Amino acid sequence: DVKVTQSSRYLVKRTGEKVFLECVQDMDHENMFWYRQDPGLGLRLIYFSYDVKMKEKGDIPEGYSVSREKKERFSLILESASTNQTSMYLCASSVTGGRSPLHFGNGTRLTVT
Amino acid sequence: GENVEQHPSTLSVQEGDSAVIKCTYSDSASNYFPWYKQELGKRPQLIIDIRSNVGEKKDQRIAVTLNKTAKHFSLHITETQPEDSAVYFCAASFYGGSQGNLIFGKGTKLSVKP
Repeated sequence: DVKVTQSSRYLVKRTGEKVFLECVQDMDHENMFWYRQDPGLGLRLIYFSYDVKMKEKGDIPEGYSVSREKKERFSLILESASTNQTSMYLCASSVTGGRSPLHFGNGTRLTVT
Repeated sequence: GENVEQHPSTLSVQEGDSAVIKCTYSDSASNYFPWYKQELGKRPQLIIDIRSNVGEKKDQRIAVTLNKTAKHFSLHITETQPEDSAVYFCAASFYGGSQGNLIFGKGTKLSVKP
């Protein structure tokens, strides 16, 4: 069974801090994704990566960056956290982008105060 | 941009009744349509998916239908049970960039009353 692990379940950060959200998958998947989930807005794609050191912007990349130095690890970076980035962040991986199921992590609930 | 519309946003049914959730997509190139179930406090999990070369797919009490011409697809749950209560998300593949990804609907909160 595919396992996608997000390093933190809950995080509380202050405005202006640099925040790192880490995600690791154990199935050698090429593709990894970061989504943001807000009530009434569904799942919105922030960034995704289709190979090591390769990345592509999703629908809402502003204020975020990503890093993929190793195939199994995909990090989401909030350069300067703001209160409007308070949200649930979901990492996912898949064999192929857009043509195969996504396997999600448990999510990180980030609160920026 | 491309999007996926999902209706209704909330749905309440009596145990044993059927539930139907509908989605429409805008990208005619979309060819993969998964459905996810998210129970409270848990991760979204795939429950069924369909590809564009198939019009219908069933798995026990769950079925998905696809109308490519009209660009809409639906989730059908028969003989609903309280454990079906959850938020359901539809998604459609999108190939606007160099690589494909999935665009999600905004979700339907299904409540099954015993």
